[in-house]
Amino acid sequence: GEDVEQSLFLSVREGDSSVINCTYTDSSSTYLYWYKQEPGAGLQLLTYIFSNMDMKQDQRLTVLLNKKDKHLSLRIADTQTGDSAIYFCAENEDSSYKLIFGSGTRLLVRP
Amino acid sequence: EPEVTQTPSHQVTQMGQEVILRCVPISNHLYFYWYRQILGQKVEFLVSFYNNEISEKSEIFDDQFSVERPDGSNFTLKIRSTKLEDSAMYFCASSPTGTMNTEAFFGQGTRLTVV
Repeated sequence: GEDVEQSLFLSVREGDSSVINCTYTDSSSTYLYWYKQEPGAGLQLLTYIFSNMDMKQDQRLTVLLNKKDKHLSLRIADTQTGDSAIYFCAENEDSSYKLIFGSGTRLLVRP
Repeated sequence: EPEVTQTPSHQVTQMGQEVILRCVPISNHLYFYWYRQILGQKVEFLVSFYNNEISEKSEIFDDQFSVERPDGSNFTLKIRSTKLEDSAMYFCASSPTGTMNTEAFFGQGTRLTVV
C-alpha cells in the first residue's frame, strides 16, 4: 500500500536553515502537504504543493518536489526556536480525500 | 479564528466499555474526518463523512466504530467495546469542501487510554 517515510529527528541552530525530507510511494498523489504539530496542539497545515509543480515558496518556507524520485522536502529559512515542533509530510491517496501521513520529524532548534 | 474543538482532551476507559469522542467542527465546513495516532506510530485515517453519511473509511474502521452528526454541530466517534489496542490520540478534522487543495483543519486531539 501507499507509504510515506520521514527521518525522525533534526536538530539545528537558531538562524540556520532546516531541511526536512520525505519520500512517498503513491505516484498518483495529486497534492502533498506539510503539517506542523506543536506540543498539546492539533495538526496545522503549513503548506501544500500540487503534483505538477517543482517548487513552492511561502515566506520562510520552500517546498521542493522531485516527482521522479518521489521526494518532497521542506526548507525553513532562518529557523527560530518557535519552529520547534513535529513536522508531518502527507499525501492524498489515489486522488481521494484521505491523507496518508509520515511518522513525523521532530525539529529541535537550539539557541 | 475558527477552530475545531475536541472533548475531552483525555479519556480513560476500561476495556469493553463504550466511549464517545466529541468534536465540534468549524461551522461552515461540510466534510468531517477522524484520524488516530497510536503512540510512536503514524497518523492514520479512519473515516470521512459528508452529507450525513460515510464517504470513505479505512480497514481500521470496523463494526466497533461508528460516527454520527447528531445535532448539526457535533461530530462524534463511538467505539462500542474498547480494546487495549484502541489506545491512541484521536484527531477530528473538518474542511469546507472535499477538494484536495482544501485545508483540513485539525482539532487538538483526544487521548484515549484503555486499561
